[in-house]
Amino acid sequence: SQQGEEDPQALSIQEGENATMNCSYKTSINNLQWYRQNSGRGLVHLILIRSNEREKHSGRLRVTLDTSKKSSSLLITASRAADTASYFCAPVLGNRDDKIIFGKGTRLHILP
Amino acid sequence: DAGVIQSPRHEVTEMGQEVTLRCKPISGHNSLFWYRQTMMRGLELLIYFNNNVPIDDSGMPEDRFSAKMPNASFSTLKIQPSEPRDSAVYFCASSLRSGSDTQYFGPGTRLTVL
Repeated sequence: SQQGEEDPQALSIQEGENATMNCSYKTSINNLQWYRQNSGRGLVHLILIRSNEREKHSGRLRVTLDTSKKSSSLLITASRAADTASYFCAPVLGNRDDKIIFGKGTRLHILP
Repeated sequence: DAGVIQSPRHEVTEMGQEVTLRCKPISGHNSLFWYRQTMMRGLELLIYFNNNVPIDDSGMPEDRFSAKMPNASFSTLKIQPSEPRDSAVYFCASSLRSGSDTQYFGPGTRLTVL
């Protein structure tokens, strides 16, 4: 198991702008997952990108993965107030007994 | 389709009392996780079950904490005796097969120990 490190720790942008969050990890992975947590709620899975994929889209979300740099980024385009949340990445080794260890996340605040 | 169900949603108790948190995973999911979240320590994995068997309990803070999964549709996390430092939000999550699969979180139980 390994923990991803999200960067920046906090990010404030104007509504309508794009938000980019980064994730770094240490060892080779099977896949990497991104989760969102709205204040006071449980985490919600956003997207999973496999180690043989370089980019993946889901609605306004775009995730990239660079396995050579051991990093991933999450781009939210045309941000909305509802995107205000904490975002966590989860690098997954894929072993049978592997588990997800969540880091501190990136706190995103969308300003009106 | 019901998601992960947790009860109670809020619990206020006094130091020294026993607290039991409950979780019903998504039907058909074979893995269940208990997490604790505080501002200071973030989101910590306490214990992870697979097919009702505890696989990893290395995150359980101390003997005051215990977790059981008597069947595939129910799990409990018990704290006895409770202490103020146990105040946190406790989340239960489940996944289809293993610890590395997509996890689905419940709404959490906010525990306050006075």
